[in-house]
Amino acid sequence: QKEVEQNSGPLSVPEGAIASLNCTYSDRGSQSFFWYRQYSGKSPELIMSIYSNGDKEDGRFTAQLNKASQYVSLLIRDSQPSDSATYLCAVTGGTYNQGGKLIFGQGTELSVKP
Amino acid sequence: DVKVTQSSRYLVKRTGEKVFLECVQDMDHENMFWYRQDPGLGLRLIYFSYDVKMKEKGDIPEGYSVSREKKERFSLILESASTNQTSMYLCASQTGGTDTQYFGPGTRLTVL
Repeated sequence: QKEVEQNSGPLSVPEGAIASLNCTYSDRGSQSFFWYRQYSGKSPELIMSIYSNGDKEDGRFTAQLNKASQYVSLLIRDSQPSDSATYLCAVTGGTYNQGGKLIFGQGTELSVKP
Repeated sequence: DVKVTQSSRYLVKRTGEKVFLECVQDMDHENMFWYRQDPGLGLRLIYFSYDVKMKEKGDIPEGYSVSREKKERFSLILESASTNQTSMYLCASQTGGTDTQYFGPGTRLTVL
């Protein structure tokens, strides 16, 4: 089992819809969770971090964390064509993960159609 | 704002050359990381450093070495470049408080 798994994509949604990106992780001791957005040919940029169970909202983005289910998700409301990118889930601080190393998922490619 | 810079956006080298990739951060972060990213393989950790002169191997250290002589600067060295080291190289800097990593713009290295 991969340490961090994301839905494989590509995910295609119409403009204005809600995009839902999912991520599961294997280490129950993980403490910190991140979503990065990466445009083609560019480096990842942080869009959300979450550390405790529940929802965290920032503008059109909502991150959801459920540690019991080892699941973290990202919702993008009112999706725009500019949201088209690959979204990377990253997890750190697990039982066997020393220090601040991040473990990244493979990424989910999102395409928002006008 | 956190600023992480990398010495080159694009680099073309010949097989067997020694290659230096530099990363500089301006936020006094202790932790710095080097990754490579390849299609279908995702981000893979090459080396990381928790402090000046400290380094730890990541998942794929073979063929690479690193240097951290100053806190703000973390260098990746390809001792003898090979074609299979053609990749996008990403440096990241990390704040200890929140574990957040901030990435530089990346260096697209091509080894011919």
